[in-house]
Amino acid sequence: QKEVEQNSGPLSVPEGAIASLNCTYSDRGSQSFFWYRQYSGKSPELIMFIYSNGDKEDGRFTAQLNKASQYVSLLIRDSQPSDSATYLCAVKDKIIFGKGTRLHILP
Amino acid sequence: NAGVTQTPKFQVLKTGQSMTLQCAQDMNHNSMYWYRQDPGMGLRLIYYSASEGTTDKGEVPNGYNVSRLNKREFSLRLESAAPSQTSVYFCASSVSYNEQFFGPGTRLTVL
Repeated sequence: QKEVEQNSGPLSVPEGAIASLNCTYSDRGSQSFFWYRQYSGKSPELIMFIYSNGDKEDGRFTAQLNKASQYVSLLIRDSQPSDSATYLCAVKDKIIFGKGTRLHILP
Repeated sequence: NAGVTQTPKFQVLKTGQSMTLQCAQDMNHNSMYWYRQDPGMGLRLIYYSASEGTTDKGEVPNGYNVSRLNKREFSLRLESAAPSQTSVYFCASSVSYNEQFFGPGTRLTVL
């Protein structure tokens, strides 16, 4: 089992809807996680960091961490065409990225 | 601040040629990384340097060498390029294992 797994997508979501991106991890010792966004042809950039169980909100983005079930999610509310990108989950303190989920927002 | 810079942006090599990809950061970060990204494969770590003077292999080190020249610079060398090394290469830096800042990437084609 890969240490960090993501559905590669593409995930298609209508504009204005909520996009839900999921990431599962295998090491129970992993404590905190990053979400990066990567536009096509560009480099990844950090959008969220979460280390506590529960939700963390930043504007239209909400990261959710459930350590008991070993998953971390990213919700994007009021999805916009500009949110179309690949979203990468990463484990802090380890140099491990998921393969990313391609998100496509339908106008 | 320029952040993380990479040169060149594009490169075409013939099989067997060698080249060095350059990376520099001006954020005083101690850790630096080299990744390759292929379609459907995500970011795969080639080598990293946790601090000046140290380097370690990542997931896919074969066919590559690195040099941490100083705190700012971390280069990646392909001694004898192969078509399987056609990829987009990203350099990144961070303070220890915190948020990584990425360079713009180098698109390498090996014919």
